[in-house]
Amino acid sequence: QVQLVQSGAEVKKPGASVKVSCKVSGYTLTELSMHWVRQAPGKGLEWMGGFDPEDGETIYAQKFQGRVTMTEDTSTDTAYMELSSLRSEDTAVYYCATADYWGQGTLVTVSS
Amino acid sequence: SSELTQDPAVSVALGQTVRITCQGDSLRSYYASWYQQKPGQAPVLVIYGKNNRPSGIPDRFSGSSSGNTASLTITGAQAEDEADYYCNSRDSSGPNWVFGGGTKLTVL
Repeated sequence: QVQLVQSGAEVKKPGASVKVSCKVSGYTLTELSMHWVRQAPGKGLEWMGGFDPEDGETIYAQKFQGRVTMTEDTSTDTAYMELSSLRSEDTAVYYCATADYWGQGTLVTVSS
Repeated sequence: SSELTQDPAVSVALGQTVRITCQGDSLRSYYASWYQQKPGQAPVLVIYGKNNRPSGIPDRFSGSSSGNTASLTITGAQAEDEADYYCNSRDSSGPNWVFGGGTKLTVL
């Protein structure tokens, strides 16, 4: 059984960066294609990017290109998502996800 | 990029059958996955592929597809099925994920 455990809630000021982690257990990170999805308060799910196993590359939604970086540390089976130049509209719950399993979510609040 | 369209809200009487639909061009090429999300919780996969249920998902949940429309059917809806439901597939032009806007299911 795969488990994805994310880091805790963050409060950031506009213009800052946030880095959210996602620790995998039950499988190794190399066996999974990890994606990141966010959900603003009261809104739907929004895909941010993820690993494309066909190309072996990480792909990003056009909306976030230049502002998001997704990385993986295979030695600790931990995935990371870093979002920079934060603005109030980035306030959301951020999830790491495979097609089958999701992390518990990390609330990122952007406020001055 | 592709879009997936869902009705914002659907209601069903307790014990009756309800169908939640999802429309989009990418569904002509790829199957939809369906996620159930209850308030304050992460989404949970309920249907994937042609009509597959992950372990632990009740058999009252089923999926189907025709043309550009995917459907999630709940046969004999229960009170605990009240939730938001999201469809998801690959973008028709690449490996990106696409989500529908979600359907809020109310069980009366």
